[in-house]
Formats: sequence, C-alpha cells, structure tokens
Amino acid sequence: SQQGEEDPQALSIQEGENATMNCSYKTSINNLQWYRQNSGRGLVHLILIRSNEREKHSGRLRVTLDTSKKSSSLLITASRAADTASYFCATAQTGANNLFFGTGTRLTVIP
Amino acid sequence: DAGITQSPRHKVTETGTPVTLRCHQTENHRYMYWYRQDPGHGLRLIHYSYGVKDTDKGEVSDGYSVSRSKTEDFLLTLESATSSQTSVYFCAISETGSPGELFFGEGSRLTVL
Repeated sequence: SQQGEEDPQALSIQEGENATMNCSYKTSINNLQWYRQNSGRGLVHLILIRSNEREKHSGRLRVTLDTSKKSSSLLITASRAADTASYFCATAQTGANNLFFGTGTRLTVIP
Repeated sequence: DAGITQSPRHKVTETGTPVTLRCHQTENHRYMYWYRQDPGHGLRLIHYSYGVKDTDKGEVSDGYSVSRSKTEDFLLTLESATSSQTSVYFCAISETGSPGELFFGEGSRLTVL
C-alpha cells in the first residue's frame, strides 16, 4: 500500500492535555500534510511540511518530519473538546500529482 | 471556505444502475480529485484531473469513469453500481500539482442495495 499509517488508531485524553499522533510512510516525498475531519464532514487542511523542513508550527499545532525514518508527528497542545475529530496524514510522493492518505487517528477530548 | 459543491449529498440506488456524482468548484483550480472513504481504508484516490479533458486513474479506478468538460465541473460515473461501491465519496481541488493543499467538499454518501 502507498498509504501512510497513523498511530495510534484512537486516542482519548482530558481537556488541557497534549495529544500526539504519529504517521509513517514508505516512499520519498515532496511534502507531508495533516488534515482534520469532523464527523460527517469533509477534510480540512491543517498544516503542510516540506521534505526539507524538520519542524513547523501553526497555533497550537506542531508538526515534525524525519525523512530518514519516514515518519511525522502531529502535536496538539492544550487540547479542547472542539479538537475531537479524526486526523489524517497525507503524503505527496515524488513524481505523483495526488496525495496518499493514511487511515487516521480518532481523537476524543473529554471535557 | 473554498467553493466546492457536491451533488447529490445522499443517494440510495440498486445494484446495476448507473450513478453520476457531480463536483462543482468556483475557485478556478486546475486540479480536481475524487476519493472514496471506507472504514479501515482511509481515503483512496479514484481518479483525478489536471485540466479540462485531462484525467488520470488513481489506485481504485476499476468500475468508475470521470469527465471534465469545464474547469468547474468534475463528474464521477459508476456505469453499473455494485454493493462494493457503497461508500462516501469526496471531491477535492488543488491549485497546484505535487500537490499542495487540498480543499474538500462535504462528501456524497452512496448506498448501493
């Protein structure tokens, strides 16, 4: 499969805690992206990190990329109940014009 | 929010009938994609388009065809629907290849009985 794989599949935390999700992939990439999906809705783009970048921040989000290990992590700090959603990593593989999505991490933030 | 409209949003049909899903964008983006989302599989690419009348297959294209006669419209057709095509279908658009950020529609839930 060309998909990335997220770990864990599901995560449940208390409001205010940090949430970390991991993504592993198999091929060389141009960039890696993270998306969020609320139940019954379309995916929403969160952040894009290029293959020559190691870390990127956006608000409460921090993404790291280790191309030598073919892995990425998404950290959500000070989580809120509204962060409850599924989170997907997607890879833009070298030479391809589309994204390959992982199977997602289901995050539940308990108020 | 990016201007992407999918229709219909919900459809129930019977095995063997043709089905067409429509994706309409108002962003004038060059690239358009059709994905399907199934439990345990994440999103899988069916077909994509890189311009008017320019399309290519994705990883799960069997049983599907697409057409793009105008920049703003990308149609996905199931010539003869099967129960295995029961899924949620998402259209997405992108300004650049490689690609950059994708903007998604709200999805079309298709049930094939």
